[in-house]
Amino acid sequence: DAGITQSPRYKITETGRQVTLMCHQTWSHSYMFWYRQDLGHGLRLIYYSAAADITDKGEVPDGYVVSRSKTENFPLTLESATRSQTSVYFCASSDEQLNTEAFFGQGTRLTVV
Amino acid sequence: AQSVTQLGSHVSVSEGALVLLRCNYSSSVPPYLFWYVQYPNQGLQLLLKYTTGATLVKGINGFEAEFKKSETSFHLTKPSAHMSDAAEYFCAVIGNTGGFKTIFGAGTRLFVKA
Repeated sequence: DAGITQSPRYKITETGRQVTLMCHQTWSHSYMFWYRQDLGHGLRLIYYSAAADITDKGEVPDGYVVSRSKTENFPLTLESATRSQTSVYFCASSDEQLNTEAFFGQGTRLTVV
Repeated sequence: AQSVTQLGSHVSVSEGALVLLRCNYSSSVPPYLFWYVQYPNQGLQLLLKYTTGATLVKGINGFEAEFKKSETSFHLTKPSAHMSDAAEYFCAVIGNTGGFKTIFGAGTRLFVKA
């Protein structure tokens, strides 16, 4: 199916564990993004990628790692999860045009206990 | 750097009343502006966008927004609210500095009363 998919949709993990959230898009969009959504903060950019093997930090990158070996995949890893990383995570993609919108996945609700 | 401020984290209207959600932006370059809507347990989807040209932009579900450069605003309106409009709305900006990053406001939750 065409689109952008995130997995898992829900995840509970313990403090200190490594967790990887997956994101896959089928449009061959150049840009991919990871946001976290928290009450009162809206969506904050964690990392983004302009193309395969090109990534850059966003507003709140600490504690997260990304990679992009293939255009269609953009996994987000929490190296050692903390309770403050409990959030809803959204992956998005967009074309390399300024006037194009971002397309979002359904989100992953992560709880760190 | 670009930024977006949404005035009011919650807005409540009666069904059939005017919806007005406020958004002000900051950008050192001509901005590209967007409104997204998020329904419960879903991702964001585009309502409308302003790039260039006509400053009054029409979107889906009867929403529209007007780009006012002098006021640095991009307020979202709908003449008559429907119960199905209850959702969270995000204003967003892309500037052509620092990559094609979309920067979001904090969001406004719209409640529609019967």
